[in-house]
Amino acid sequence: GAVVSQHPSWVICKSGTSVKIECRSLDFQATTMFWYRQFPKQSLMLMATSNEGSKATYEQGVEKDKFLINHASLTLSTLTVTSAHPEDSSFYICSARTGGTAAYEQYFGPGTRLTVT
Amino acid sequence: GQSLEQPSEVTAVEGAIVQINCTYQTSGFYGLSWYQQHDGGAPTFLSYNALDGLEETGRFSSFLSRSDSYGYLLLQELQMKDSASYFCAALGRSNYQLIWGAGTKLIIKP
Repeated sequence: GAVVSQHPSWVICKSGTSVKIECRSLDFQATTMFWYRQFPKQSLMLMATSNEGSKATYEQGVEKDKFLINHASLTLSTLTVTSAHPEDSSFYICSARTGGTAAYEQYFGPGTRLTVT
Repeated sequence: GQSLEQPSEVTAVEGAIVQINCTYQTSGFYGLSWYQQHDGGAPTFLSYNALDGLEETGRFSSFLSRSDSYGYLLLQELQMKDSASYFCAALGRSNYQLIWGAGTKLIIKP
């Protein structure tokens, strides 16, 4: 159980376009979802935390107008990278947790590799 | 500030035992998690310590000392498939957020 999927697994887009990444909890209801980005050989950097039905909480330095997060249901959260630039190229990973489990339990999606040309 | 320190790289021989240390400094602390990440993949959960002491799960064990703000991951009977990056992550008080270390790349030689 506790499977999280992400779509797409990889995407290449042109500079200036927008890209939407979906994160779904397949067999549980995710009360909280987290979005991370990871550059090569670096750690995961938390971008934002979203709770179902409320606005996402962004980490310092993350532009909320550029990285739009929508957590519309208990099984789906989306991250839209607007007006993408080459420096946005990264590995984006979501994770999810449900209120019924231990606080430390986060289930990670397989990640989405974004390349902006 | 909040930070977790772990070695950037560790090298070991197949069949051996290796320990990856992690020291942390966080404003709130519930416990310490360990994750494994293979190149190109997502992190997978290995263990979690909320209390002082050793937690054993098969070939992997994790230890926590709250008084020393220190923990480690112990990997026994190393296999080539254990070659990966290992991250320690502290569970903070703010909305269950994980604060991540920079990761330790484990290189295993035959």
